[in-house]
Amino acid sequence: EVQLVQSGPEVKKPGESLSISCQASGYGFTSNWINWVRQMPGKGLEWMGRIDPSDSHVEYSPSFQGHVTISSDTSISTAYLHWSTLKASDTAIYYCARRRFGSGSLDSWGQGTLVTVSS
Amino acid sequence: QSVLTQPPSVSAAPGQRVTISCSGSSSNIGGHYVSWYQQLPGTAPKLLIYDNDKRPSGIPDRFSGSKSGTSATLGITGLQTGDEAEYYCGTWDSSLDSFVFGTGTKVTVL
Repeated sequence: EVQLVQSGPEVKKPGESLSISCQASGYGFTSNWINWVRQMPGKGLEWMGRIDPSDSHVEYSPSFQGHVTISSDTSISTAYLHWSTLKASDTAIYYCARRRFGSGSLDSWGQGTLVTVSS
Repeated sequence: QSVLTQPPSVSAAPGQRVTISCSGSSSNIGGHYVSWYQQLPGTAPKLLIYDNDKRPSGIPDRFSGSKSGTSATLGITGLQTGDEAEYYCGTWDSSLDSFVFGTGTKVTVL
């Protein structure tokens, strides 16, 4: 069974750094792109970017380029989303999602990580 | 501001049928496969339809998808109370070089 298990909720202050994780199991981690999706409180889904774990190639949405960093560690089948400087507006639920092989769709999703940024 | 437009809400009685539209352009829906996602309250999104009209295993055939030109449609027949959720379309956008989601549609079972 394919599973994406994300790290737990975080409470941070503006200006702090943060990494959240997404550990994959049940399939070959390097076979599928991992995407990150933001959902701000009460709002819709926003695609942030994706990584190909086989070669660490990353593509970012222009809306998020330069504000977050996506990476992966194939030795532990884990993808990461990193902020070096958090803002209050980063408060949201963040989901990782696997791209279905041969398709552009996102076929398996993590449970979400709530990030709260508040002074 | 999403480039894919969905109606904010649709509703129908149990057992009835609803359709949800997703309107885009030639750079997204017009040139790429569309997928649909269901987000039940307080949970992660779930893939319902991929490549315009295909259902992943485990998704009942009450859910269907279609695409024509720069628009796509999700249909739900035999509406159940458990179908109350937010539904999103999604596709790649060549102009933005990004995956884009629709604005979302809340389905209410009356």
